[in-house]
Amino acid sequence: NAGVTQTPKFQVLKTGQSMTLQCAQDMNHEYMSWYRQDPGMGLRLIHYSVGAGITDQGEVPNGYNVSRSTTEDFPLRLLSAAPSQTSVYFCASKKAGGPGGELFFGEGSRLTVL
Amino acid sequence: KNQVEQSPQSLIILEGKNCTLQCNYTVSPFSNLRWYKQDTGRGPVSLTIMTFSENTKSNGRYTATLDADTKQSSLHITASQLSDSASYICVVSVIARGSQGNLIFGKGTKLSVKP
Repeated sequence: NAGVTQTPKFQVLKTGQSMTLQCAQDMNHEYMSWYRQDPGMGLRLIHYSVGAGITDQGEVPNGYNVSRSTTEDFPLRLLSAAPSQTSVYFCASKKAGGPGGELFFGEGSRLTVL
Repeated sequence: KNQVEQSPQSLIILEGKNCTLQCNYTVSPFSNLRWYKQDTGRGPVSLTIMTFSENTKSNGRYTATLDADTKQSSLHITASQLSDSASYICVVSVIARGSQGNLIFGKGTKLSVKP
């Protein structure tokens, strides 16, 4: 059982470039989310989705876009990368929205913007 | 503002010793409290989830406690092993959703177990 799969694991971008971080889950979870983790800070929510076709902004959405065309996939797009977006990005999923349910994380994507 | 504070920030212990990590929260309305273990370079993995009515829950050598009255939780690790070296993250769920979503994350405690 693969769980939550993120690609790529590592990426280096130049300022202004765009890219997409991929996230896929095989647990038929309705809820999917993207977090960023920076040194000395807790995980911060970027965007989330409670089902296919539904997305919403989290705490730090600026500079990022998401879409949810299928239950399995939830890609995160960086429109014009900035050095402030250098971070480790985690995709996570759980069975449904709301406060309950175990949250499963991917292994992370480490992004460096020069 | 909903907040989760963890202490200490970092901790070094010798293999075989016990330790306790603390989590204080100012979150309302409270739904549940979770502890995650995050190995270096990996994603967080769930250790325990406790609801309002539960005051203790164990997962092997990990025991979490919850005092909903004082809004405090602790994670006790018994007979530590080198593989326990990791960051431990306390996460509190709220019933009402805000921009942070339902989950409020602490900054974590970095535990190092030395031989």
